[in-house]
Amino acid sequence: DADVTQTPRNRITKTGKRIMLECSQTKGHDRMYWYRQDPGLGLRLIYYSFDVKDINKGEISDGYSVSRQAQAKFSLSLESAIPNQTALYFCATSAGGGYQETQYFGPGTRLLVL
Amino acid sequence: AQSVTQLGSHVSVSEGALVLLRCNYSSSVPPYLFWYVQYPNQGLQLLLKYTSAATLVKGINGFEAEFKKSETSFHLTKPSAHMSDAAEYFCAVSLTGNQFYFGTGTSLTVIP
Repeated sequence: DADVTQTPRNRITKTGKRIMLECSQTKGHDRMYWYRQDPGLGLRLIYYSFDVKDINKGEISDGYSVSRQAQAKFSLSLESAIPNQTALYFCATSAGGGYQETQYFGPGTRLLVL
Repeated sequence: AQSVTQLGSHVSVSEGALVLLRCNYSSSVPPYLFWYVQYPNQGLQLLLKYTSAATLVKGINGFEAEFKKSETSFHLTKPSAHMSDAAEYFCAVSLTGNQFYFGTGTSLTVIP
């Protein structure tokens, strides 16, 4: 079984709709991240959380919100989706700080906003 | 703020040829450096990382990278390309370990 899972894997929605992307992990990591990937732009950090009570904005948080329901679950919401939020979204986890911080990625959610 | 630049969004090599993917960072303090690989329809996975223990870092699948402080570079190499190396490669930097900054990626094509 995969250590980091994302649901759904693909989603098509309409402008203005609210949607939620979910991430679960079985690695026991405290830190979780949400990124979006766009062609030619690489990965950009949306939000990150170092524990259940800690939520931090990343580089491009506008238009997004997150919820850390438990150590293992981190959800990303688009309150009112717009077409330029069409992208590939990745959840990632890591164990701790410093040089040991390898990130482990989920398989991604491909979102299309019409 | 640190940033990372990957030169060449697309690189093509022949099977068996040297692979060289370039990464330069900008930081006044040597950051932690990583190379990740993304195969089609998959998430990213770690190839190797620089942790200041050694400037030449060996990773999985025969890849290695050398940290050169004077050039602020962390280029990825592999002596002999294999068809299975075709993927997208991302360089990433972190100064404190609290956030990652990814490069824009280099798509590697291996020509048979």
